[in-house]
Amino acid sequence: DAGVIQSPRHEVTEMGQEVTLRCKPISGHDYLFWYRQTMMRGLELLIYFNNNVPIDDSGMPEDRFSAKMPNASFSTLKIQPSEPRDSAVYFCASSLNGYNSPLHFGNGTRLTVT
Amino acid sequence: AQKITQTQPGMFVQEKEAVTLDCTYDTSDPSYGLFWYKQPSSGEMIFLIYQGSYDQQNATEGRYSLNFQKARKSANLVISASQLGDSAMYFCAPTTGRRALTFGSGTRLQVQP
Repeated sequence: DAGVIQSPRHEVTEMGQEVTLRCKPISGHDYLFWYRQTMMRGLELLIYFNNNVPIDDSGMPEDRFSAKMPNASFSTLKIQPSEPRDSAVYFCASSLNGYNSPLHFGNGTRLTVT
Repeated sequence: AQKITQTQPGMFVQEKEAVTLDCTYDTSDPSYGLFWYKQPSSGEMIFLIYQGSYDQQNATEGRYSLNFQKARKSANLVISASQLGDSAMYFCAPTTGRRALTFGSGTRLQVQP
């Protein structure tokens, strides 16, 4: 089992640029989650999908953020345009049924916006 | 929104001793689950242990166990025989229904030799 795979591991970009984060969940997992972690706000849920359908995107900070899951094996989180306050570690996680099965996290993408 | 309280921002424990990390939560749902995760300094999030609200016994996984008190809405993590590698951030995360996990603010545990 390869686990949840995120790319890139590190991303440094200038303010105003578009950033795309990628995630491949564990095969067979029906739920996919995007979280953001900062020192100030801790771990925040941004959005999650069930069977490729977005279920709750209330955590998405603003319209600059968008997420897609075109198929069961791939998801993207896009920030356009990026701002310095978007600097954080972005985690993707997947789980079997989303309720009483644990989340399996990727290693995260550390985003720095200058 | 669920309220999760981890009252200990930082904890110290001597190697080989046991330590308890506190977690209280606020939910009106009768059926829910509780997860604990570990985040070492390398940054990855590691699942440790799960407790269902209707489970008859407290969950245990190796050196990890939960002191689950449903009436008090608390699910404290007990780590026995602490090791240096246990130094990390620990997060409590209750979940209900179809809602995604919401994480507490975490407790930073430092194990001293």
